[in-house]
Order: sequence, then C-alpha cells, then structure tokens
Amino acid sequence: GEDVEQSLFLSVREGDSSVINCTYTDSSSTYLYWYKQEPGAGLQLLTYIFSNMDMKQDQRLTVLLNKKDKHLSLRIADTQTGDSAIYFCAESKTGGYQKVTFGIGTKLQVIP
Amino acid sequence: SAVISQKPSRDICQRGTSLTIQCQVDSQVTMMFWYRQQPGQSLTLIATANQGSEATYESGFVIDKFPISRPNLTFSTLTVSNMSPEDSSIYLCSVEGLTQETQYFGPGTRLLVL
Repeated sequence: GEDVEQSLFLSVREGDSSVINCTYTDSSSTYLYWYKQEPGAGLQLLTYIFSNMDMKQDQRLTVLLNKKDKHLSLRIADTQTGDSAIYFCAESKTGGYQKVTFGIGTKLQVIP
Repeated sequence: SAVISQKPSRDICQRGTSLTIQCQVDSQVTMMFWYRQQPGQSLTLIATANQGSEATYESGFVIDKFPISRPNLTFSTLTVSNMSPEDSSIYLCSVEGLTQETQYFGPGTRLLVL
C-alpha cells in the first residue's frame, strides 16, 4: 500500500539551513512532491522530482531522492521567517492524473 | 499553473444540513479532484471528477454523502450532505498541471459543523 511518513515538527534559526525528511513505501512512485501550506492558506507546490533523478535544485531549495531507501528530503538554504509553514511530502504513480498521497506534514518553525 | 478559486472560503453549518462547495478553474482541465484535510491531519482524496462521467470515489467515501458534479471542463461542485461535527475539515479541489506531472490546489473551504 501507499504510505508517506514525515516528522511532525522542525525548529531552526533564521539564516540556518532546514532539512525536512520523508520516507515512502510504494516503490512504484514516479513523482515525489513537496507542498507548502501557510496558516489559513491552500497548498502551494514548491517543487517535485521524477523518480529517475537523485537531486533537483531550485534557488534555495534542494531535493534529494534516495530511491533505494525510499527517502526524500527537502533542504531550504538560508531559512527565513517567511518559510514558517507546514511542508507536505507527497507521491504519485502517474503524476497529475491520479491520486496524490500525502504525508502528515512537517511544521517548520523559524526562530528569528 | 492554473488559477483555482473555491467558494465559500469558510462556513459554519448546523448538523444535519448540507453544503455545496464550488471549484472554478481559469482554464480547461481534464481531471478535477476533491480532497479532505481533517484537523491536524494529512490530505485524503475523496473522489476524482471527470467531465461527462460519474465521479470515482475512494474507499471510505460514498456518493450519497459527497455528491459531485462536473458540468464542464472548468467547474465542479462537492456537496457535503447531512453534516455531522466529524465533517469539520478543509475541503480542497485540485487539477492536473499543464505538463500532467503535478496537481495544483485551490485555496480550500474551511468547514465547521456544530
């Protein structure tokens, strides 16, 4: 079955790097996503990676994928107070046409 | 990415009543999805709505409780019927992205049932 797990909470100081980790169980996952949810807002797609890649960088965001261990991480460089939010790890077998399975979300608290 | 709007943005309802949530997209899309996010929980897919056919429901969700309409390629509604406090959640619609590799989400409808 499909299962996505991530830790519930992470606290970092402003200017430090944040690393949010996620594990998934479905080896047929093709797309792996990171979404951001700010208080009172919907979900914003931050970045995603295809399963045949092991790294993707987009400005301050770096996604690392270890397909053998089914481990995904999101690194945010130079974390700012505006990065405080809940970050959801998610996976899909076929991309946007089918169900996306989400983790429970990691609440990132950035301390000024 | 598509621009997605939902109405209402929030509502407080009495148990036993029904609420219809609207989802509007600024471009034509094949697939529209409805998710539920219960307090402190992850998102769970309720159903997938294709234009011109009946919605496909996930295990644990039934059409009588969550009827869905998809009259055209830019619009869908989800009705939460005969509500109870356990239905208090955020309800989000999503659509497939232009490259079909992603899904984009609306802002959500925050529902509180008393």
